Amino acid sequence: EAQVTQNPRYLITVTGKKLTVTCSQNMNHEYMSWYRQDPGLGLRQIYYSMNVEVTDKGDVPEGYKVSRKEKRNFPLILESPSPNQTSLYFCASSFWRDNSPLHFGNGTRLTVT
Amino acid sequence: AQTVTQSQPEMSVQEAETVTLSCTYDTSESNYYLFWYKQPPSRQMILVIRQEAYKQQNATENRFSVNFQKAAKSFSLKISDSQLGDTAMYFCAFLTIQGAQKLVFGQGTRLTINP
Repeated sequence: EAQVTQNPRYLITVTGKKLTVTCSQNMNHEYMSWYRQDPGLGLRQIYYSMNVEVTDKGDVPEGYKVSRKEKRNFPLILESPSPNQTSLYFCASSFWRDNSPLHFGNGTRLTVT
Repeated sequence: AQTVTQSQPEMSVQEAETVTLSCTYDTSESNYYLFWYKQPPSRQMILVIRQEAYKQQNATENRFSVNFQKAAKSFSLKISDSQLGDTAMYFCAFLTIQGAQKLVFGQGTRLTINP
């Protein structure tokens, strides 16, 4: 089954404790992206990647890191999480062509205390 | 930079009624794509309908249709014969094809269908 898999689905952590949210897709998509969803703000792009070893900042990249060493994986790293990073996070992927629909993972609910 | 605005934070209608969700956007581009996504309580993001800006004909998917007004930069979603399963958060989104492929989302409209 074609899908984007995010883990974990829920995560509670404390300020400053490094964490990684994994994202993997099995559709051979070139493009992958991370979004965060906050009430009243919709989804905002954190980082994106157009292919292996090619990543760039989105609209809200501060406090996050990503890597794209393999085409299928695009982990999101929070080196020192803070409470303002409490949010719902989505990974998404698509082919790199016009109108190719984004396929979303099921989201990760992160709480930083 | 492109912006997408959904001015209705919440809406509520009775089952079987028709409801229209509004969306406006701002861009200087002439060619782009517009989408409506549905997010039910399961949090899954589901593509409802999409529209290419160069097509004048409004897109339709079963009970879902759009009213695309390019000059007014308006992209509303009409849900006909609404069902309880339509209860969800709905997001309007704009896709730029200039440079990086980036989807810009509106704030969302929480739609409740009452029995």
